[in-house]
Amino acid sequence: EDQVTQSPEALRLQEGESSSLNCSYTVSGLRGLFWYRQDPGKGPEFLFTLYSAGEEKEKERLKATLTKKESFLHITAPKPEDSATYLCAVRTYQGGSEKLVFGKGTKLTVNP
Amino acid sequence: DAGITQSPRHKVTETGTPVTLRCHQTENHRYMYWYRQDPGHGLRLIHYSYGVKDTDKGEVSDGYSVSRSKTEDFLLTLESATSSQTSVYFCAISGLRSNQPQHFGDGTRLSIL
Repeated sequence: EDQVTQSPEALRLQEGESSSLNCSYTVSGLRGLFWYRQDPGKGPEFLFTLYSAGEEKEKERLKATLTKKESFLHITAPKPEDSATYLCAVRTYQGGSEKLVFGKGTKLTVNP
Repeated sequence: DAGITQSPRHKVTETGTPVTLRCHQTENHRYMYWYRQDPGHGLRLIHYSYGVKDTDKGEVSDGYSVSRSKTEDFLLTLESATSSQTSVYFCAISGLRSNQPQHFGDGTRLSIL
């Protein structure tokens, strides 16, 4: 069964304190890994797509990396406005159709 | 922001009543999806559409039906709502190629009493 596990469930950082979020996956036939940011009361906002091991993408203070079994979202010198829930999703191909399997998310709080 | 509008944004209804949620897009995207989001679970796919009148089931489709009569509109219907369907429902869209990222609306919070 396809599974996506995110850790930690929640993370509190001080402003400027860098850290990483983890997304590990067990899927048959990876066809892309996606990172989203979700603010309270809003829908997920697309951040990155990664397709192959070794690939990296960056956007402002965020950098996403991918290995064969996991992805990391590195947050460098975070600010309070980076507080959100970060979701990881993996696209797989199964039974003649593609599907997106989501993790449960990591809730990040950045204190000033 | 992707042009996705969900309506209503909030709804409270009673067990046994029919409920229809609407997703409207202005991006002319081929693929549309309905998800539900519950505490302790990741987003779970209910149904999706790959074109007008073309729909298929997701992993949690029991108790739900969908229709897509126009490219821009995707409707989710709960024929007879139950308390277990209390959730936040998200619509998503993606482009011509299925490997493009999905973009989400801001959700409908549905409470069934």
